[in-house]
Order: sequence, then C-alpha cells, then structure tokens
Amino acid sequence: EAGVAQSPRYKIIEKRQSVAFWCNPISGHATLYWYQQILGQGPKLLIQFQNNGVVDDSQLPKDRFSAERLKGVDSTLKIQPAKLEDSAVYLCASSLDVAGDEKLFFGSGTQLSVL
Amino acid sequence: GENVEQHPSTLSVQEGDSAVIKCTYSDSASNYFPWYKQELGKRPQLIIDIRSNVGEKKDQRIAVTLNKTAKHFSLHITETQPEDSAVYFCAASLSGGYNKLIFGAGTRLAVHP
Repeated sequence: EAGVAQSPRYKIIEKRQSVAFWCNPISGHATLYWYQQILGQGPKLLIQFQNNGVVDDSQLPKDRFSAERLKGVDSTLKIQPAKLEDSAVYLCASSLDVAGDEKLFFGSGTQLSVL
Repeated sequence: GENVEQHPSTLSVQEGDSAVIKCTYSDSASNYFPWYKQELGKRPQLIIDIRSNVGEKKDQRIAVTLNKTAKHFSLHITETQPEDSAVYFCAASLSGGYNKLIFGAGTRLAVHP
C-alpha cells in the first residue's frame, strides 16, 4: 500500500517570501490533516479536511496560512508571507472516515527553514 | 484549551531494561489514545493504540495501560533494544471532532548497548 506522499522534502526561504507544500494522501482516505511540528515539540494540528471540506482550522494562522483540497484528494498548504517562527516540519496525514478507525498515517514531511 | 502532558522528555536506558513513558490528558471525553514512534528524520509511525473501553493492550514487547479515572496512560517497552531509540509521542482524541488528535511534546528514548 502506498503511503502519504509529500513534496518538497526540504525548503529554505527568506522571511517574507512565499512557499507551498503538496500532499497526496493514501488512496481512499477521506480525511486529510496538516500538522506543524516545531523542533522538540509534538505535532500541532493546523487544518483538517474531510473530503474537500474544512472540518477544523481553528489553529491555522489565517492571515498568512492557507490550504485547499480540491476534488477531495491532493492538498496544498501555503504560507505567504513566511516568518522566522514558521521554521518547522510540516506533516501531512490521512485517515479513513470510518467510525472506530482513527488511525492516522503520516507523510515524511516538508522541513521548512525560514532565514 | 485541551492538552496532553508527556513525561519524561528524555529517557536513557541500558539495552535489555524496561522503559516507561507517561501521559496525562485533560479532555474527559477522550476515548482513543495512540502512540507514535518517530526516528530521526522520518515520519511518525503508529506503534500501538488503545480505546477507552480497554485497560491494557499488549503487542510483543510493547504495552499500553490506561486509567480513565485518573486520565493518564502509559507506554511500556520491555527488553529494550538499540533500535527502540527514537522520539515517542502520545496522543489523545478530542471530543466534538472528526478523528482529531492532540499530541504530547514527545519523549526522546536512548537505548545504550
């Protein structure tokens, strides 16, 4: 079974620049998540989609972060403009939309460095 | 807001010893508690999970225990091996959301030969 795919693997930008990350979830997984993992901390949920609708974006800094999931499959997360504190690993995850099966499968992440 | 506290932040053991990592959660409606292992530079991977209707679950050298009354759960690794060295994250589901998890800050486990 193919896992969650993410790209790019690494990205280095200067502050105030823009950046975008891409995620392709496991086939058939209706729910897709973007997490931010700052060095030394646990993953923090930024946004959660079910199919192409947003379920939770309460922790997303909407003045600079945006995300979309067109057609309920692939998703992109964008930061514009980036700040130094956005340096982190951005993890995408997906899960089945089945009651009693909450298992999250993570991608390898995009490591973002903002200089 | 809801949170999950995880202790210790670092743990060093000798190969063959046991390791225990503890987490407490605040949302009394949490009913799903997974543990993830993250090796350096790799994705978090689910190693074991437990639901609130079960007090203990084992899978070979790994076990998880849950005390819903006290709102804490623990990961137990027996007969540790160097390949168990990684960062371990606990998580708890949040009420009112679809499969929404809140993670602990992680425990860096080092197993020395």
